[in-house]
Amino acid sequence: KAGVTQTPRYLIKTRGQQVTLSCSPISGHRSVSWYQQTPGQGLQFLFEYFSETQRNKGNFPGRFSGRQFSNSRSEMNVSTLELGDSALYLCASSSTTGVGDTQYFGPGTRLTVL
Amino acid sequence: AQSVTQLGSHVSVSEGALVLLRCNYSSSVPPYLFWYVQYPNQGLQLLLKYTTGATLVKGINGFEAEFKKSETSFHLTKPSAHMSDAAEYFCAVSDRGNTPLVFGKGTRLSVIA
Repeated sequence: KAGVTQTPRYLIKTRGQQVTLSCSPISGHRSVSWYQQTPGQGLQFLFEYFSETQRNKGNFPGRFSGRQFSNSRSEMNVSTLELGDSALYLCASSSTTGVGDTQYFGPGTRLTVL
Repeated sequence: AQSVTQLGSHVSVSEGALVLLRCNYSSSVPPYLFWYVQYPNQGLQLLLKYTTGATLVKGINGFEAEFKKSETSFHLTKPSAHMSDAAEYFCAVSDRGNTPLVFGKGTRLSVIA
């Protein structure tokens, strides 16, 4: 089975712009979660989608949003980019409810905000 | 609220030596516990996880971890370090419910020849 794929792998944007990141989960996986990884804050949970519904949300401002499509692919959007949004954004998928299920991570999208 | 503490942001061992990476958690209910490894410019790969049953869990690449409820610990060990083990290791916890993973700050493992 193909793993979790994320596109693009690298992205450079300037402050004030918006960005959309894409994640394709493992075939058959219906739960997709997003995490932000920075040197200072470590790995922080952004949100989780299951069957096109947001099921959990982390403590991030409303500039961060996401959605999931009927084929379980997910996108996250960050509007009005700030320098502090520079990070590695990781997507993870799991097969069923996500409770105790293994989350399989993609390689991440490295976002640099100038 | 759940939290994870990984003691030591950087651990250095000699090739062939024991690897011990420490993880303590705080959770109001018996948790699910995970160890992930991250190699440079890559995502996270699951090493092992504890959900229920046997408290000594064996994972990939010769790693194992023991869930000790009384100590709220889930330390990761490997009897003999290999150069390819050099990476960053993350301990994570989730409640036995519909909740996301909460990660520790990570421990960078260096292996010296």
